[in-house]
Amino acid sequence: QLQLQESGPGLVKPSETLSLTCTVSGGSISSGSFYWGWIRQPPGKGLEWIGNIYYSGITYYNPSLKSRVTMSVDTSKNQFSLKLTSVTAADTAVYFCARQERGYSYDRPFDYWGQGTLVTVSS
Amino acid sequence: DIQMTQSPSSLSASVGDRVTITCRASQGISNDLGWFQQQPGKAPKPLIYAASSLQSGVPSKFSGSGSGTDFTLTISSLQPEDFATYYCQQYNSYPITFGQGTRLEIK
Repeated sequence: QLQLQESGPGLVKPSETLSLTCTVSGGSISSGSFYWGWIRQPPGKGLEWIGNIYYSGITYYNPSLKSRVTMSVDTSKNQFSLKLTSVTAADTAVYFCARQERGYSYDRPFDYWGQGTLVTVSS
Repeated sequence: DIQMTQSPSSLSASVGDRVTITCRASQGISNDLGWFQQQPGKAPKPLIYAASSLQSGVPSKFSGSGSGTDFTLTISSLQPEDFATYYCQQYNSYPITFGQGTRLEIK
């Protein structure tokens, strides 16, 4: 059974960089048909897609965050990561990692999700 | 960006009821739509993909329909564990976008 697990600091100071890692187990991050994504949810609010990454390093970012986001992948560790720079209180949220299937002739919504990790931006 | 608008934002219903939630896309997305259920403090659980196909293990009390810009999620015979927040997600084009959510509450 595929499992995803987020890890990283739960508290980040304003103007600093938020860094999170998602570890994938029960399957290979290098499987050809899957993209790996980050989604966040501010307390009491809805879901916001941050970006997707393919195992080859191809990335897609939300334009609203693109100037501050970098995603990377480490296939040797079966992990992918998120960096969000210059954070403010508005970046306080639960951050989820998830998998999306993208085939040659079809796509799918996110089907496997991590449990989420709360990141608070505060001094 | 494709905007996804869900209605209603909240809904009160009783155990045993049948409810329908609507999701409208700001432009056509074919059938590239998924539905999720989220319980408090939990990750979203996928219910439906391709607008009307059930994810593995999801009971048939959940059903989806629609294509283009208008989509619905119907839940029949509500049980206590069905009271949660529901989200739609379009994956037709980047950026991926979600509806704002529909909170289903017990009447």
